[in-house]
Amino acid sequence: NAGVTQTPKFQVLKTGQSMTLQCAQDMNHNSMYWYRQDPGMGLRLIYYSASEGTTDKGEVPNGYNVSRLNKREFSLRLESAAPSQTSVYFCASNEGPRGLSSYEQYFGPGTRLTVT
Amino acid sequence: AQTVTQSQPEMSVQEAETVTLSCTYDTSESDYYLFWYKQPPSRQMILVIRQEAYKQQNATENRFSVNFQKAAKSFSLKISDSQLGDAAMYFCAYLPAYNNNDMRFGAGTRLTVKP
Repeated sequence: NAGVTQTPKFQVLKTGQSMTLQCAQDMNHNSMYWYRQDPGMGLRLIYYSASEGTTDKGEVPNGYNVSRLNKREFSLRLESAAPSQTSVYFCASNEGPRGLSSYEQYFGPGTRLTVT
Repeated sequence: AQTVTQSQPEMSVQEAETVTLSCTYDTSESDYYLFWYKQPPSRQMILVIRQEAYKQQNATENRFSVNFQKAAKSFSLKISDSQLGDAAMYFCAYLPAYNNNDMRFGAGTRLTVKP
């Protein structure tokens, strides 16, 4: 089991460029999440997908879009990158509300994004 | 909105000694979950320990234990017999039972272990 995988690991963008961060999990989890981590602020939730076919905004959704492609994959898109989006992005998953361990989130290795 | 506060940006401990990391949270809910995550330099987030608010007994996982004070809204992590591999950022997190998608993290505490 690979767990939660993310691509790419590093990315540098110029202001105004677009890109998609990819996330996949092989644990048959229902729920998936995108967080950003900034110095001194911990992790903040951008968007989540409680189950396949649904997505919802988190604490800091502005400037991002997401797609739950199927049960395994959940992508995060920056349509027009801004320097304020320079951050480390984490994808996570958990079993969802019906799981016995529904409260534990499993994290990917993160993507370090720099917008110049 | 629920908030999580970690008042110690940095802590250090001598190898084999004990250290306690502090965490407080603000909520009006009675049913929730609390977590400590470890983030080593590899960036991987690793769950260290979990506490259910309805349980009075403090959670323990080997050298890691918590002191959960529900009335005081305090959730500290004690690391006993500290090892060099314990050096990392530690994040406290809160998750309300009514919405298990809304996890809130503290700003983190960087732990250094001195040989």
